[in-house]
This record gives sequence, structure tokens and C-alpha cells, in this order.
Amino acid sequence: SYELTQPPSVSVSPGQTARITCSGDALPKRYAFWYQQKSGQAPVLVIYEDNKRPSGIPERFSGSSSGTMATLTISGAQVEDEADYYCFSADSSSEYRVFGGGTKLTVL
Amino acid sequence: QLQLQESGPGLVKPSETLSLICTVSGGSISSNTHFWGWIRQPPGKGLEWIGSVYYDGSSHYNPSLKSRVTTSLDTSKNQFSLKLSSVTAADTALYYCARDSFLRYDATSGSYYGDGFDIWGQGTMVTVSS
Repeated sequence: SYELTQPPSVSVSPGQTARITCSGDALPKRYAFWYQQKSGQAPVLVIYEDNKRPSGIPERFSGSSSGTMATLTISGAQVEDEADYYCFSADSSSEYRVFGGGTKLTVL
Repeated sequence: QLQLQESGPGLVKPSETLSLICTVSGGSISSNTHFWGWIRQPPGKGLEWIGSVYYDGSSHYNPSLKSRVTTSLDTSKNQFSLKLSSVTAADTALYYCARDSFLRYDATSGSYYGDGFDIWGQGTMVTVSS
């Protein structure tokens, strides 16, 4: 099997920078995707292919990847950014596609 | 604007087959530029990829569910479907359908793979109970 590991929770004050990490052995070879899921809503893609931002996603969301770790950065986090965040990627054989366990971001 | 809508029974008995349909509007599922996938989320838990189907009918499945999952396309109705057999209470979840626009070609296997979902349906809750 394949796993992506995220911290269960991250907490910041409004205006601070939030960083959420995702570690996986295949990340040097595979892109990471990041999803935001607010309570009671479907996930929304916020970062694709490690560091690209879909149209309509605020510029404060950015992504990076180095070695076996991908990072989602929210610069100047807002209260409305409170949500669960999931990374998603494939293993090196392409057999597995997995989500990380999710990180609950608290902004208060 | 592309939209996806899941539909199907909200209650399934243990050992029976769960069947869901995703209806796509605002775009065609016959395009070779997308996979169409299923993801689920048990109550209070995280997301789990179930499987994805390509425009030509080829599919990739989560190895942990592979023996019980079938996905297919109905291009005449612009729909794709999920069947999950021999369900148990552990299959109780919110089921999402989604479009995967990030295709990757693997020269070794000669296959395409979808690497990430960009548009999601709102999800449909399925409970497995007698």
C-alpha cells in the first residue's frame, strides 16, 4: 500500500502564514494536489501539480514540493480559510492513488 | 460550466450491490482528455479514492476495493457509474463523483492515468444497513 502523511491539525492567528505538509515516498516522482473541504461541502481543488493555482483560488494559496514532502502554504490566512485540507497523489507504480489523512486548519 | 450530480439509493442492505450514477452536464464524457472518478468519505473521516474510468472504458481501481468495484460509461446519456458489490457497514459513506483533468502517460505500461480531480459533484450519502 501507499500512504501520504499529514499533521492532524494546524492552528494560526488571522494574518499569519499557515503551512501544511504532506509526506510520501513517491512525491519526488509524482505531483501533489491539494483540496480544501469546508464543513458540509464537497472538496475544492486549491493547488494542482505541486504549485499551480486554479483560477478563482486566492493568491495567498501556494504550493511547493521538495524531495518526499509537499507543502501547502496559506500566506495571511483568513478566518474563511478554516477547513480540512487534503493532499492527493499517486505511488511510483501508479497502482495507488491516495489522499492524505487530512489536516484541520484553525484560524483564530 | 461543467457540473456533476450523483444519484442512487440512499440505503443498501448488507451483502448487496451499491449502484450509483453520475450525470455530467456542460461537457462531454467522451473526451480523451479526462478520467471520471469516484471518491468516498465515511462520516467524520477522510477521503478515499475508489476508482476512475477513461473515455474508452479502461479503468483503474483502488487495490483495496478492486475485487468489488466496477466503473463504466454511458456516453449516450453522458453518465458514468459505480458498482460496489458485497457491501458492509464499512461502506457507509458520502460518495462523490469527480472529473480528473490531469492525465499522465506511462510509457512502461502504455497506459494513461489520471492524477488529480478538478471538478466534484456535491456527493450522495449511502448507508449500508438491514
